[in-house]
Amino acid sequence: GDSVTQMEGPVTLSEEAFLTINCTYTATGYPSLFWYVQYPGEGLQLLLKATKADDKGSNKGFEATYRKETTSFHLEKGSVQVSDSAVYFCALRNSGTYKYIFGTGTRLKVLA
Amino acid sequence: GAVVSQHPSWVICKSGTSVKIECRSLDFQATTMFWYRQFPKQSLMLMATSNEGSKATYEQGVEKDKFLINHASLTLSTLTVTSAHPEDSSFYICSARGGALAGAGFGELFFGEGSRLTVL
Repeated sequence: GDSVTQMEGPVTLSEEAFLTINCTYTATGYPSLFWYVQYPGEGLQLLLKATKADDKGSNKGFEATYRKETTSFHLEKGSVQVSDSAVYFCALRNSGTYKYIFGTGTRLKVLA
Repeated sequence: GAVVSQHPSWVICKSGTSVKIECRSLDFQATTMFWYRQFPKQSLMLMATSNEGSKATYEQGVEKDKFLINHASLTLSTLTVTSAHPEDSSFYICSARGGALAGAGFGELFFGEGSRLTVL
């Protein structure tokens, strides 16, 4: 079945460091890919998405490129801030369905 | 963006009692809502898909009689944990799918803030 694999956390970085959170997926068909962020005590918020191969999603300085050849959707940010501390979830939604498959989440902690 | 609100945000109950959690789409009509359960340090597990006016569709391994889902209107879905036990303690999150006529991104999923249930 469809699945999403994320790198295990927690990831601890200093402010202004470069961030990469790896995400790979397994899916039949042509899924849409998403990154969601969950701040402490809150629900999930859509951070960015990409709906087809080679699309790049971006928001708030975060970027991720849909790589079909490597089945990956790695999240990157050039310079993280303390306020980016949260749990990040990679997810996919296969075409023809509204079911989302989530990765296990990666906790990011950014130190001042 | 569209707002989905859950209530209560946290609840503590005694073993054997039932607890109801509400999920409301505040500014759009949600024909479909989803209920997830999130375990500590684990991913969200889809429990069921709720369609307005019809019976919920449960994922394999989720007890229908244990987790009652009602989607009575286009803006409200409820999850009732019946005869709760300590192993039901978890973080429950609902999400709602925006529709084309509702102003929300078509097909995009909007999440509530979650409800933490602790069963003593």
